[in-house]
Amino acid sequence: KAGVTQTPRYLIKTRGQQVTLSCSPISGHRSVSWYQQTPGQGLQFLFEYFSETQRNKGNFPGRFSGRQFSNSRSEMNVSTLELGDSALYLCASSRTGGSDEKLFFGSGTQLSVL
Amino acid sequence: GENVEQHPSTLSVQEGDSAVIKCTYSDSASNYFPWYKQELGKRPQLIIDIRSNVGEKKDQRIAVTLNKTAKHFSLHITETQPEDSAVYFCAASISPLNKLIFGAGTRLAVHP
Repeated sequence: KAGVTQTPRYLIKTRGQQVTLSCSPISGHRSVSWYQQTPGQGLQFLFEYFSETQRNKGNFPGRFSGRQFSNSRSEMNVSTLELGDSALYLCASSRTGGSDEKLFFGSGTQLSVL
Repeated sequence: GENVEQHPSTLSVQEGDSAVIKCTYSDSASNYFPWYKQELGKRPQLIIDIRSNVGEKKDQRIAVTLNKTAKHFSLHITETQPEDSAVYFCAASISPLNKLIFGAGTRLAVHP
């Protein structure tokens, strides 16, 4: 069974640009969550999608958005990039997104904003 | 708001020693507490979890304890080995929002 796949693996952007990250969950998993990982801040929850609907949202500005497609693949978009957006962005999938379900993480997209 | 505090942020031990990482949470309704391990350059992976109806759970050299009254839980690793070197994240479920809140992580270094 293929694991969670994230593309691209690395991205370099400049301030003010926008970026789209992609996440393909494990087959059969309908929930996809996104996290921002920075040194010292741990894993900050961005949002969670289930059946093409955003069910939960963390405390990030509106520049961070996402969507989920009918095949459960998800994309995350960050507009008007800021230097502080440099981070590793991880997505995780689970069957139904229950808070007590095991999360399967992707390898992440390392975003650098110059 | 919801919060999970994790200590220490870094931990250095000699091979064979024990390591303990502690977390506290703020939501008294939290009922699920997983621990994830992230080796350098790799994705986080679940290593052990505990639910609120038990106080302790063991899996070979790792164990987790939970004190619901005090709202804290701990990860214990015995007979540490160099391959235990990684960043460890604790997390707590947040009800009824159906999501996990993670701690800031502990970087464990096991020296041969």
